Amino acid sequence: AQSVTQLGSHVSVSEGALVLLRCNYSSSVPPYLFWYVQYPNQGLQLLLKYTSAATLVKGINGFEAEFKKSETSFHLTKPSAHMSDAAEYFCAVTNQAGTALIFGKGTTLSVSS
Amino acid sequence: NAGVTQTPKFQVLKTGQSMTLQCAQDMNHEYMSWYRQDPGMGLRLIHYSVGAGITDQGEVPNGYNVSRSTTEDFPLRLLSAAPSQTSVYFCASRGTAEAQPQHFGDGTRLSIL
Repeated sequence: AQSVTQLGSHVSVSEGALVLLRCNYSSSVPPYLFWYVQYPNQGLQLLLKYTSAATLVKGINGFEAEFKKSETSFHLTKPSAHMSDAAEYFCAVTNQAGTALIFGKGTTLSVSS
Repeated sequence: NAGVTQTPKFQVLKTGQSMTLQCAQDMNHEYMSWYRQDPGMGLRLIHYSVGAGITDQGEVPNGYNVSRSTTEDFPLRLLSAAPSQTSVYFCASRGTAEAQPQHFGDGTRLSIL
């Protein structure tokens, strides 16, 4: 069965510091993986997706993620945090039928000046 | 571009009342899904549909009904609301091509007293 584990429910960084949000997945089929961001009182916005075309995926707002099959990981990074990056981030994998998403529990990113 | 439209945005119900959360998309997407978001739980799949007339259960279907009479609409019905159904509900849609991302509505905040 598909599942996603996000390590760390809350991550705090200083402005300009590296952002690293961890995601590990379990999938019985080759996975499609996604990162979404949710700003307060808003819906979910797609940051990036992995579709097997390339292991390093670049997304919006300077974020990128690397797919590592041997580690079953899809960690999200950004070299330099900005105050506007403060939000909740969700990692997700497609369900086995490929029709919907299985989400991790989310990681709240706080950025301090 | 409307995308995925959810109504209402906010609703307060009394225990035992019934109501329907509306979801409509104008992107001609075959796949539609309902999720609920609770603090610390991420998003959990309630029901999904792969086309008009076809629905299936997700992770947390109890207490909810769905139907899909048209490609555009996918309403979620609460038959007898319970306080445990207090949550934020998101509707999403996607195309059938592989690895298509989900497009989310802005959510419905539902409180059951």
